[in-house]
Amino acid sequence: GAGVSQSPSNKVTEKGKDVELRCDPISGHTALYWYRQSLGQGLEFLIYFQGNSAPDKSGLPSDRFSAERTGGSVSTLTIQRTQQEDSAVYLCASSLGTTPRADTQYFGPGTRLTVL
Amino acid sequence: GDSVTQMEGPVTLSEEAFLTINCTYTATGYPSLFWYVQYPGEGLQLLLKATKADDKGSNKGFEATYRKETTSFHLEKGSVQVSDSAVYFCALSDTGNYQLIWGAGTKLIIKP
Repeated sequence: GAGVSQSPSNKVTEKGKDVELRCDPISGHTALYWYRQSLGQGLEFLIYFQGNSAPDKSGLPSDRFSAERTGGSVSTLTIQRTQQEDSAVYLCASSLGTTPRADTQYFGPGTRLTVL
Repeated sequence: GDSVTQMEGPVTLSEEAFLTINCTYTATGYPSLFWYVQYPGEGLQLLLKATKADDKGSNKGFEATYRKETTSFHLEKGSVQVSDSAVYFCALSDTGNYQLIWGAGTKLIIKP
C-alpha cells in the first residue's frame, strides 16, 4: 500500500515568510509525528498527534510553529515568519497508535526547507 | 531526560568485515529500543527493534540485543556489503510515550 507522503519535497522561502508543509499518513494510522532533521541538531521531535488531538507538543521550538490534523488523516505544519535557523528537513511519520513505546513509525521522504 | 548516545562516524570498513556500532541510552522508564537506517537519497526506515530486556532484534543480517544491565543496544553484522553504506540511527521510546528520542546517527561507508 501507499506509504507516508509529504509535500512539497523542497521549499525555498525568504526570511519572514510563512510556509506550510503537508503530510499524508498511511491509511488507518491514528498516530502522526513531525520531526526535524538538521545538521547542527540531528533528529528532533516536534509534535505528536493521536487522531486530531496533539497530546504532546513539547518539541515545537517556538510559537512560530504550529500544526494541525484534520479528519484523523492529513496534517499541516505551519511555520510563521521563517528564520534562517528553521532551514532543515522536516520529516513526518505515522504509526498504528495502539502500543505506546513499541509502535513502529513509518517515515515519509521529508520536506527540505531552505530559508534565504 | 532521556537520551541516546551513538559512536561517532564515519565508520569505514572493507566489504565482508564485521560491524559493530555502539549505542547506549539513559531513560527514566522502561524504553523500547530501535535502529533506523537512512540509505543515500532515501527516507528513514526501521531496521530492527526490541521491546524488553534480553530481546534480540534482527533483520537483513543485522542484530542488536537489548541489554538493560549495561543500558546498551549495539548493532552488529557479521559480513557487511557495499549496499549497507548508509546512516544508522539508534532511538528509544520510553514508557507511556510514542515519540522517538534519537542518537546523532553514524555514517557507515563500506569499500569494495
